[in-house]
Amino acid sequence: KAGVTQTPRYLIKTRGQQVTLSCSPISGHRSVSWYQQTPGQGLQFLFEYFSETQRNKGNFPGRFSGRQFSNSRSEMNVSTLELGDSALYLCASSFSQGRGTEAFFGQGTRLTVV
Amino acid sequence: DAKTTQPTSMDCAEGRAANLPCNHSTISGNEYVYWYRQIHSQGPQYIIHGLKNNETNEMASLIITEDRKSSTLILPHATLRDTAVYYCIVPQSNAGNMLTFGGGTRLMVKP
Repeated sequence: KAGVTQTPRYLIKTRGQQVTLSCSPISGHRSVSWYQQTPGQGLQFLFEYFSETQRNKGNFPGRFSGRQFSNSRSEMNVSTLELGDSALYLCASSFSQGRGTEAFFGQGTRLTVV
Repeated sequence: DAKTTQPTSMDCAEGRAANLPCNHSTISGNEYVYWYRQIHSQGPQYIIHGLKNNETNEMASLIITEDRKSSTLILPHATLRDTAVYYCIVPQSNAGNMLTFGGGTRLMVKP
């Protein structure tokens, strides 16, 4: 069974631009979560979508947004990019929101803002 | 999430068992203990989780103390490919699938 697919794998953007990252979860999984990983802050939760609704949100500015489609695929968008947004962005999919549910991560999108 | 405390780093000889401890003294009765690992430049990988009983799968064993305030992840025969950062996480029971990653334990398996 195919794993979590994130596209693109690498991206270079200029300050002030916006970017959209894509995540295709494992077939049948309805929950998609997004994380940002930087050397200084480690892995930080951005938000979670379940059945097209945002269920949880981390402590990030409104420039970070996301959505989930009816086929469970998800996108996250970052507007007005800053140098500090350079990071590895990871997507995780889970079958449900029940306790005891494991998350499966993609390989991530490495975003560099110049 | 219940706060977890892990050693910053550990070494293990190849072929020996790696025992990674985690303290989670504020865990609630219905909260699970999860372990993930992240090999350099890859996404985190799920290893195992448990509630009260000890658990074993093809990757590892999880030993949870009776009072549930600590646990140990055991890799029975560590290989060089097990070199990674290991994260012990206790998600809040009402926070969906949100995972709060701490610093983890950097396990170095040496030949």
